[in-house]
Amino acid sequence: EDKVVQSPLSLVVHEGDTVTLNCSYEVTNFRSLLWYKQEKKAPTFLFMLTSSGIEKKSGRLSSILDKKELFSILNITATQTGDSAIYLCAHISNFGNEKLTFGTGTRLTIIP
Amino acid sequence: EAGVAQSPRYKIIEKRQSVAFWCNPISGHATLYWYQQILGQGPKLLIQFQNNGVVDDSQLPKDRFSAERLKGVDSTLKIQPAKLEDSAVYLCASSVTSGSGGTQYFGPGTRLLVL
Repeated sequence: EDKVVQSPLSLVVHEGDTVTLNCSYEVTNFRSLLWYKQEKKAPTFLFMLTSSGIEKKSGRLSSILDKKELFSILNITATQTGDSAIYLCAHISNFGNEKLTFGTGTRLTIIP
Repeated sequence: EAGVAQSPRYKIIEKRQSVAFWCNPISGHATLYWYQQILGQGPKLLIQFQNNGVVDDSQLPKDRFSAERLKGVDSTLKIQPAKLEDSAVYLCASSVTSGSGGTQYFGPGTRLLVL
């Protein structure tokens, strides 16, 4: 069974700090790793990572995948209170049904 | 472009009662997913439809949960009878199709509390 593990489970930092969220995975038939941000209820898509070593970037957020060591990190620089959310990492399998297997998430709280 | 719509947003029921959730995916999205997210956990896939056919329902507790997508658009998820452990957020998501690369768009979810 595919497994996705995120750490830390929760993180509290001050506004302006830089944070790194971790995601490790043990899966069969790897296709891609996805990051979502979940505020309130609906997860919103951030990044999809398929190739090792290629950084995806969007504003203050960036993410990279290491397929050899089976992990990904999500970096947020110059954090703002609006970054407070649960960040979910998910693996999508290479089978035809493209099932998403989620980690438990990291709850990030930014203190003003 | 309208997003994934779900209703109701909240539901409180007593155990052994039945409940139904509704989802309307993004227009043109052939694939529809129902997830269950228990507090403190990531979403878990319950069932996946491709048009009106079931692709994966391996994690759906079929003794009490059922889902349908009769015309390949809207979908309903039903729980009958509900148990305390069914308290969770039920998320609906859609994607263009399987093979679209995995970008699933989520609705706002329905928060269910079973007393």
